[in-house]
Amino acid sequence: SQTIHQWPATLVQPVGSPLSLECTVEGTSNPNLYWYRQAAGRGLQLLFYSVGIGQISSEVPQNLSASRPQDRQFILSSKKLLLSDSGFYLCAWNTAGATYEQYFGPGTRLTVT
Amino acid sequence: AQSVTQLGSHVSVSEGALVLLRCNYSSSVPPYLFWYVQYPNQGLQLLLKYTSAATLVKGINGFEAEFKKSETSFHLTKPSAHMSDAAEYFCAVSEGSGGYQKVTFGTGTKLQVIP
Repeated sequence: SQTIHQWPATLVQPVGSPLSLECTVEGTSNPNLYWYRQAAGRGLQLLFYSVGIGQISSEVPQNLSASRPQDRQFILSSKKLLLSDSGFYLCAWNTAGATYEQYFGPGTRLTVT
Repeated sequence: AQSVTQLGSHVSVSEGALVLLRCNYSSSVPPYLFWYVQYPNQGLQLLLKYTSAATLVKGINGFEAEFKKSETSFHLTKPSAHMSDAAEYFCAVSEGSGGYQKVTFGTGTKLQVIP
């Protein structure tokens, strides 16, 4: 069966510090991968998606970036965090050509101080 | 463009009462529709999905939803609420076929179950 992991579970970082969040998927090949941010009272905001290694699409301009160095690894990064980057970050995957439901990881709670 | 509207950001029901969470969608083509549940500080879990087969879809934990094309609705129901149903629920829509398909989520409805 497929599983999705996110690391770390919680993170407290000062403004201006770098960020690296990791997402890995097991039990499937060539998944579509997604990064979402969930801010309080604002639902889910799609940040990035990837349909393959090295292929990243950005949905919202911001100081975050994403990379996909391996088929089942998706990384969210920032060089300098802003207060507004605080939130709950969710990674998700699905299989192209299926019925498009996405499966979510457990999330990372990021607090920028 | 596809969109989802969830009516009511907060819904309260008594334990044992009917749960009804409303979702209306907009889509230019026949959509795929989903309901997800999120417990505090956890990821989203798929409750059920509509994929153009039966219009009444049964999901996990006793939930079901009915696709009504004429009303562009996909409301989530459960006959009898349980305390463990307290969570936030998201309706989502995806359209098209092949390759990457964007999923649009509603803003969520928080369900409170009163003992």
